[in-house]
Amino acid sequence: GQQLNQSPQSMFIQEGEDVSMNCTSSSIFNTWLWYKQDPGEGPVLLIALYKAGELTSNGRLTAQFGITRKDSFLNISASIPSDVGIYFCAGQVTNAGKSTFGDGTTLTVKP
Amino acid sequence: GAVVSQHPSWVICKSGTSVKIECRSLDFQATTMFWYRQFPKQSLMLMATSNEGSKATYEQGVEKDKFLINHASLTLSTLTVTSAHPEDSSFYICSARALPRDETQYFGPGTRLLVL
Repeated sequence: GQQLNQSPQSMFIQEGEDVSMNCTSSSIFNTWLWYKQDPGEGPVLLIALYKAGELTSNGRLTAQFGITRKDSFLNISASIPSDVGIYFCAGQVTNAGKSTFGDGTTLTVKP
Repeated sequence: GAVVSQHPSWVICKSGTSVKIECRSLDFQATTMFWYRQFPKQSLMLMATSNEGSKATYEQGVEKDKFLINHASLTLSTLTVTSAHPEDSSFYICSARALPRDETQYFGPGTRLLVL
């Protein structure tokens, strides 16, 4: 089946620093999604990308849908302690809505 | 908008019993709901896709007789873990698609199941 390679696996940064994480795949996706999951809770949608090349922002978060349709990145600017959590990328091929999830990036922000 | 709830939020049961988990879309109609399983420090694993009024589609390796899914209405899907065993202990998360408003999935808060 399809797999997503998400990196880095974990990040330890200082408050105020910028963060970048990405997902790559050997196959094409038509939708890329980025979620954040806090401990013991379900994932919360951060950004959805529907077109190749699309660059979308949500506050301090910016995500891009790669031109090749095989990758996406998420940037967080000026990190704050509440950014701590696990960030997942997810790709969808069809409108059926089935998502393939990356393994997640665990972000730790030191005050 | 696009709120999904799950009940219960956590459950402890004895081995051999069955447990039912509910997933509700509170402010939208969800023709499709998805059930995921997540082990500690791991990603979400799709178990099945649930369409209102029809049989669920299970992913490879997921026992449909073990994990019974019912999507009886446009706002409710249930997952029943039958004859639960300790290895079924996990975090179960549902999601729903708010079509035709958008194609993205909105996740519930999850249900933590512990089988003793």
